[in-house]
Amino acid sequence: EAQVTQNPRYLITVTGKKLTVTCSQNMNHEYMSWYRQDPGLGLRQIYYSMNVEVTDKGDVPEGYKVSRKEKRNFPLILESPSPNQTSLYFCASSLRPREKAFFGQGTRLTVV
Amino acid sequence: GNSVTQMEGPVTLSEEAFLTINCTYTATGYPSLFWYVQYPGEGLQLLLKATKADDKGSNKGFEATYRKETTSFHLEKGSVQVSDSAVYFCALRGEDTGRRALTFGSGTRLQVQP
Repeated sequence: EAQVTQNPRYLITVTGKKLTVTCSQNMNHEYMSWYRQDPGLGLRQIYYSMNVEVTDKGDVPEGYKVSRKEKRNFPLILESPSPNQTSLYFCASSLRPREKAFFGQGTRLTVV
Repeated sequence: GNSVTQMEGPVTLSEEAFLTINCTYTATGYPSLFWYVQYPGEGLQLLLKATKADDKGSNKGFEATYRKETTSFHLEKGSVQVSDSAVYFCALRGEDTGRRALTFGSGTRLQVQP
């Protein structure tokens, strides 16, 4: 079954404690991206990746890092989380940027 | 830059009512337009899309027509069901977007009551 898998689904952490949200897809997609969803703002792109070792900033990259060492995985890293990063995060992948995007189920992060 | 504006919710309807969720956009050239649906506790799923003016996207009884003259892509369904309760996002990918993102609207929550 084609899918995008994120882990964890829910996470509560404290300010400044580094965390990683994993994302994995099984469709051999080249293009992957991370979004955050906030009330009244819809989804905003954080980072995207065109292929292995190729990543670039989206619209709201501050406070985040990503890596793409393998085609299937695209982890989102928060080196020093802050409360304004409390949000619902989605990973998405597609064969190419303009193709249909498949979304993960989301990770609800709370930073206290 | 590109932007998408959709009507605020929640929209509350009775089963079998007619649904319209308005969506207008700002973009240069000819963007591709999408509707995504998010069911409770799940990620987004592509509902329908249109890639050029006057195209009509349709799926699961939902329809939307790409109107270049009014820069709109309103979502409609003739008879909603309780199972249609979800959040609906209008989105676009501009011609000049290249490798970058879908631009999403803020989402409209639909609640269908039996």
